[in-house]
Amino acid sequence: AQSVTQPDIHITVSEGASLELRCNYSYGATPYLFWYVQSPGQGLQLLLKYFSGDTLVQGIKGFEAEFKRSQSSFNLRKPSVHWSDAAEYFCAVGATSGTYKYIFGTGTRLKVLA
Amino acid sequence: ETGVTQSPTHLIKTRGQQVTLRCSSQSGHNTVSWYQQALGQGPQFIFQYYREEENGRGNFPPRFSGLQFPNYSSELNVNALELDDSALYLCASSLDWTSGNEQFFGPGTRLTVL
Repeated sequence: AQSVTQPDIHITVSEGASLELRCNYSYGATPYLFWYVQSPGQGLQLLLKYFSGDTLVQGIKGFEAEFKRSQSSFNLRKPSVHWSDAAEYFCAVGATSGTYKYIFGTGTRLKVLA
Repeated sequence: ETGVTQSPTHLIKTRGQQVTLRCSSQSGHNTVSWYQQALGQGPQFIFQYYREEENGRGNFPPRFSGLQFPNYSSELNVNALELDDSALYLCASSLDWTSGNEQFFGPGTRLTVL
């Protein structure tokens, strides 16, 4: 079955520290992968996406993610976290089963300490 | 270019009532997908409309129904509301329904069922 797992429900980091959010997917074909950020009470903002090609993807707000097929992972990273990065982060895979739709993980809530 | 818009932003209903949520797709997009995001969860696929026809459905009961209009805007209708229907409802539009077409999300409608 197609699925996305985000193993960390909550992560707390200090401002200026590096960040890595984990995402593992289960999908038979070449995946389309996404990371979204959601601030409280808001909709989803796309941070970055992977469709094909270079496995290291650059996104907005200084985020990057690396696609590792052998590990079925698409982890999100940022070298130096800012207080404004505190939010919920969702990993998603574009899956074709009947029709093309997104399957989301349950999210990781990021807290940033000043 | 206008993005995806949704109305209303918030609404409150009581159990057993019916509700209609609206979504205007991005210019040039003929496919609209609807997602439900319960509190503390990732979005879940409800259904998708392509050129006014339902094109795929997730694991939601028939009391969740939809429409798509000739201008490709869409409605989500929920009958016999239950407390568990309280959630953020997101719509997303895309150029078409085929694999790899990026979905662009609206800001969502927050539904509270009392």
